[in-house]
Amino acid sequence: GNSVTQMEGPVTLSEEAFLTINCTYTATGYPSLFWYVQYPGEGLQLLLKATKADDKGSNKGFEATYRKETTSFHLEKGSVQVSDSAVYFCALSERGNNRLAFGKGNQVVVIP
Amino acid sequence: DTAVSQTPKYLVTQMGNDKSIKCEQNLGHDTMYWYKQDSKKFLKIMFSYNNKELIINETVPNRFSPKSPDKAHLNLHINSLELGDSAVYFCASSQGLEPNQPQHFGDGTRLSIL
Repeated sequence: GNSVTQMEGPVTLSEEAFLTINCTYTATGYPSLFWYVQYPGEGLQLLLKATKADDKGSNKGFEATYRKETTSFHLEKGSVQVSDSAVYFCALSERGNNRLAFGKGNQVVVIP
Repeated sequence: DTAVSQTPKYLVTQMGNDKSIKCEQNLGHDTMYWYKQDSKKFLKIMFSYNNKELIINETVPNRFSPKSPDKAHLNLHINSLELGDSAVYFCASSQGLEPNQPQHFGDGTRLSIL
C-alpha cells in the first residue's frame, strides 16, 4: 500500500539556520505530494504541494521538489524563524479517493 | 470566517458513554473526512464522504458511525467510549476527489476518556 516515511525525531535549530526535513514515499501510480504544518493547538494547514514529477512546491520560504527517481519530497527552508516552530507532516494523496497517507510528522523547534 | 469548524473543541467524558462531534464546512466542498491523531501525533484517516456518500471506511470499530446530513456537514457519533478512543479528531474537506485538491482541516476535537 501507499506510505510516507519521515526522518525520525524532533528537529531543534537556531534562528536563521537552514532546515531540511526528509520525506520518502511508496506509492502505486502517481500520487500528489503535500507538506502540511500544525501549529500548537491548531489543525493542519497546507504548506505546499506538488502534483507531478519535477514539480517544485513553495510557500513562505519553504520549498520541496517532487523527485520520482528517488521517491522523495524533502522540505527545505534557507533561514528559519521562531515562528516556524511547529509539527510538519509529509503526505501523499491517492488517485480516486483523495485519501491522505501521512508521515509521522517532525516537531521543529527554532531557538532565538 | 471559519472554513471548517468542529464542535466541541474539548470533550471529556466517562468510559461507556456515547458522544458526538459535529463538523461543518462553508467552502462549498463536496468531500469531507474524519482523521484521528494519536498521542504521538500520528494521523490516520477514518472515513470520507463524497456528496453524502461513504467513500472510505477504514478499519474503524463499529462503535464509530459517521453521518452526513448534507454536503456541508459530517458528524461523528461514537458509542460505548473506550480509553483507547482518547485522541484528537480532525475533520477536513476538499473540492472533489482529485488528488491535487488539498484538504482543509478544522482545529480538532480533543477527546479525553476518564
